Amino acid sequence: EPEVTQTPSHQVTQMGQEVILRCVPISNHLYFYWYRQILGQKVEFLVSFYNNEISEKSEIFDDQFSVERPDGSNFTLKIRSTKLEDSAMYFCASSRQGEAGEQYFGPGTRLTVT
Amino acid sequence: GESVGLHLPTLSVQEGDNSIINCAYSNSASDYFIWYKQESGKGPQFIIDIRSNMDKRQGQRVTVLLNKTVKHLSLQIAATQPGDSAVYFCAEILGGATNKLIFGTGTLLAVQP
Repeated sequence: EPEVTQTPSHQVTQMGQEVILRCVPISNHLYFYWYRQILGQKVEFLVSFYNNEISEKSEIFDDQFSVERPDGSNFTLKIRSTKLEDSAMYFCASSRQGEAGEQYFGPGTRLTVT
Repeated sequence: GESVGLHLPTLSVQEGDNSIINCAYSNSASDYFIWYKQESGKGPQFIIDIRSNMDKRQGQRVTVLLNKTVKHLSLQIAATQPGDSAVYFCAEILGGATNKLIFGTGTLLAVQP
């Protein structure tokens, strides 16, 4: 069964450093998402991406965040200058066109900012 | 405002019993609801969904009930098994041109053997 994959599984970085979290969505999916989950809290939407552009973003997704689909398979989330409060589990998800509700999630990348 | 909340943070059941996990949502404009299961160290896994024009939908061992009058959603798991132990989230999507999932806080289901 196809699945969303994410790398790395755990990323430790120092405050102020840039990080790139990588995702490979399911191959025939057209909508891509990033969510995050701070430890012990609910999953929060960050951004959705379709047709090579951001279709929706939350207030969390400020100028420090960016997304890119550099090729036909990868989908990345960049945090330009990490803060302590960016420490969280970051989940990538994808869905087929017209079935946006059925979003398939990856296993997540745990980001720890020290 | 946008909020989806759960009544019970922890639910403990005996193996073989039926489980009912509840969720309240506040936005009457929501037209799509999903239940996700999250096992430790994994991402949310889709279980079942329901659209606002329905009040019940059944899957394999799971049933979702939607009561739009009181903005309540529930997930029923029949014959609960140890493998069902996880955190369960309800999520909603508002009507219109959005695919953003709004998650609730989660209920931990603990199945006792």
